[in-house]
Amino acid sequence: RKEVEQDPGPFNVPEGATVAFNCTYSNSASQSFFWYRQDCRKEPKLLMSVYSSGNEDGRFTAQLNRASQYISLLIRDSKLSDSATYLCVVFMSYGGSQGNLIFGKGTKLSVKP
Amino acid sequence: NAGVTQTPKFQVLKTGQSMTLQCAQDMNHNSMYWYRQDPGMGLRLIYYSASEGTTDKGEVPNGYNVSRLNKREFSLRLESAAPSQTSVYFCASGGTGYSPLHFGNGTRLTVT
Repeated sequence: RKEVEQDPGPFNVPEGATVAFNCTYSNSASQSFFWYRQDCRKEPKLLMSVYSSGNEDGRFTAQLNRASQYISLLIRDSKLSDSATYLCVVFMSYGGSQGNLIFGKGTKLSVKP
Repeated sequence: NAGVTQTPKFQVLKTGQSMTLQCAQDMNHNSMYWYRQDPGMGLRLIYYSASEGTTDKGEVPNGYNVSRLNKREFSLRLESAAPSQTSVYFCASGGTGYSPLHFGNGTRLTVT
C-alpha cells in the first residue's frame, strides 16, 4: 500500500456542484495533514491544514478520520477558478518535530461552465 | 513579505554544463527542501536540510549536490546536466511537525 494515496481523477464537474476528494494514508502515527492546490506549472499553495477532527474555510471543508486513516476535502458551490490539482500531504514524525512529509500524487479537478 | 525566493525562473542548459539554483527564505524556518516535478507527475524530494549545517538525501539525489549556506539559503547544484534533469524545480521551507511547507515559484530547467 502506498504511503499516501489519492484518486488521480480527473473530476469533471459543472459550476455550482459539490465535489469531494479523499486521501488515504498508511502510517497510523501520522501527525499532521494538509491540502495544497497546484495550478498548471505553478508552485503548490497551501489550501488548508487539517489538525484535529477537521476544519472549514468558506466553501472548503477538510475532515480527518484517524480510525480509517483518511482525510477528505469538500468543495461546495464550485467555481471555474477552483480548477486545479489538489495535493494531499501527510507529515509522519519519527521523533519530536522531525519526520517526513509525504505527498500524494494529486487529484485533478476541472470545473466546467 | 517575500517568503521563499528562487532564482532563476527559467534556464536552458546544454548537456554537461553546470549550474546552481538559488533559494532563500525569510520565515526563519529550520528545514528547507528541494523537489523536482516532471510533467504530469508528483513532487519528488531531491535533498533536504533539517537545520543549518545538515543536509540529507531524498528520493532522487543522484546528479545533484546541495549547500545549506546559512539558515536562509539552500542551493542546489547540477555538476553535469543531463536531459533527464529537465524538470521544474521547487524549493520549499518549513514542514516540520504542524508547520506546513511554503514553496518558491519554481525554476523551469531544460537540458538539451
